[in-house]
Amino acid sequence: AQSVSQHNHHVILSEAASLELGCNYSYGGTVNLFWYVQYPGQHLQLLLKYFSGDPLVKGIKGFEAEFIKSKFSFNLRKPSVQWSDTAEYFCAVRGGNQAGTALIFGKGTTLSVSS
Amino acid sequence: GAVVSQHPSWVICKSGTSVKIECRSLDFQATTMFWYRQFPKQSLMLMATSNEGSKATYEQGVEKDKFLINHASLTLSTLTVTSAHPEDSSFYICSARVSGGTRSAEAFFGQGTRLTVV
Repeated sequence: AQSVSQHNHHVILSEAASLELGCNYSYGGTVNLFWYVQYPGQHLQLLLKYFSGDPLVKGIKGFEAEFIKSKFSFNLRKPSVQWSDTAEYFCAVRGGNQAGTALIFGKGTTLSVSS
Repeated sequence: GAVVSQHPSWVICKSGTSVKIECRSLDFQATTMFWYRQFPKQSLMLMATSNEGSKATYEQGVEKDKFLINHASLTLSTLTVTSAHPEDSSFYICSARVSGGTRSAEAFFGQGTRLTVV
C-alpha cells in the first residue's frame, strides 16, 4: 500500500531563513508526487507536482521540490521564507499509472514564520 | 479554471440529525470525486471515491450506510452524514478530477466543510 511520511510536524523559522520539509513515500512503481499548502481557513492549493522528467520541480511562490527516486523522497524547499508562508504543508502521492485514484497524503507539516 | 466549491463551509447540527454536504465542480466536468476527512492536526484520510452514475467505493472502515454519497451529475457529488454523532465532528474535504485532457491527472480541492455535532 502507498504511504507518505512527513518527518517534521511543526517547523518554526524566522523570515528569510531557508526551508526544507521532508517527504518520503512508499510505493514500488512510478509515482505522481504533489505538495499542497493550506493557509488558515482556506482550501488546499497545489504548490507543485512531479509526474515525470526533470526531478527538480519548480512551483508557485518560490517553492521547489526535488524527486530523488533512490531515496523515495520529494522534499520541499524554499531559499527564503516569508511571514505569509505560515501554513500547513502536505505531501501527497499517487501511483503513476493510477490517474483516476485518490491521492494519499502525509500528516502535514505546520510552518510558522515569525517576522 | 478548475474550481471546486463545497457547501456549506461550516455546519452545526444536533446529534441524531443528518447533514448533507455538496461538492460542485464549477468550470469543468468531474467523472470522479473523492471525499476526505481531516481530523485536527492530522492528514486527510480518504473516505470514498465517487464516480458519476455509479455507486461510490468506500475505504476500509468507512460505514457506507452512515456516509451516503451520491454523484448524480458530472458537476455535483453529495455526502450525507446520517444520524450524526459528536464523533462525526470533523473537517470534510472533497476533491474532483478533471475528466480527460491534459489536466486529468490533477486533483482540485474544495474549501472543506467543518461539521460540528452537538
